[in-house]
Amino acid sequence: RKEVEQDPGPFNVPEGATVAFNCTYSNSASQSFFWYRQDCRKEPKLLMSVYSSGNEDGRFTAQLNRASQYISLLIRDSKLSDSATYLCVVNGGQGNLIFGKGTKLSVKP
Amino acid sequence: GAGVSQSPSNKVTEKGKDVELRCDPISGHTALYWYRQSLGQGLEFLIYFQGNSAPDKSGLPSDRFSAERTGGSVSTLTIQRTQQEDSAVYLCASRPTGDYSPLHFGNGTRLTVT
Repeated sequence: RKEVEQDPGPFNVPEGATVAFNCTYSNSASQSFFWYRQDCRKEPKLLMSVYSSGNEDGRFTAQLNRASQYISLLIRDSKLSDSATYLCVVNGGQGNLIFGKGTKLSVKP
Repeated sequence: GAGVSQSPSNKVTEKGKDVELRCDPISGHTALYWYRQSLGQGLEFLIYFQGNSAPDKSGLPSDRFSAERTGGSVSTLTIQRTQQEDSAVYLCASRPTGDYSPLHFGNGTRLTVT
């Protein structure tokens, strides 16, 4: 099993749709988790940290399921500007941060 | 405040030449990471520095790659005898102490080996 796995997509959704991504991780000792977004030919930017109890930031909700070793990202009321690649990041132990290969989202008018 | 600064932003070099890529992290950030991203691919971990501890070099793809971090601040990634497969965007990121702190990325250095 790869350390961090994501469905590469692409997810093609209409504006206003709700879309969800999952990310699985292999190291059960991982303690910190993040979602980043990356626009084409740009550096990754932090979208949100993922807390044990789940957390919400506007239209974005992140969840952590330790028992099944996955995190999720839910985007409500999708905007055209949400089109990007979403990267799951997991602390791999000893401070190392492991990135998934990303899920591509395309929001269409 | 100032973010992570990388230089040069673009570098074109001939196969076989050595290159040095520089990263200036956010002031006070104790951890510094180098990643590589080839076109259309995910981020590949290269090396990680934490304070004065020995760096985690487990991601370096070959002994042609090395990195230093002087004075706990600026880092240089050196690639010797560059090959065409080294062409990629090299991203540096830093973060404060603590597992729950997120990474802050620089704009990257786009390396092209001809």
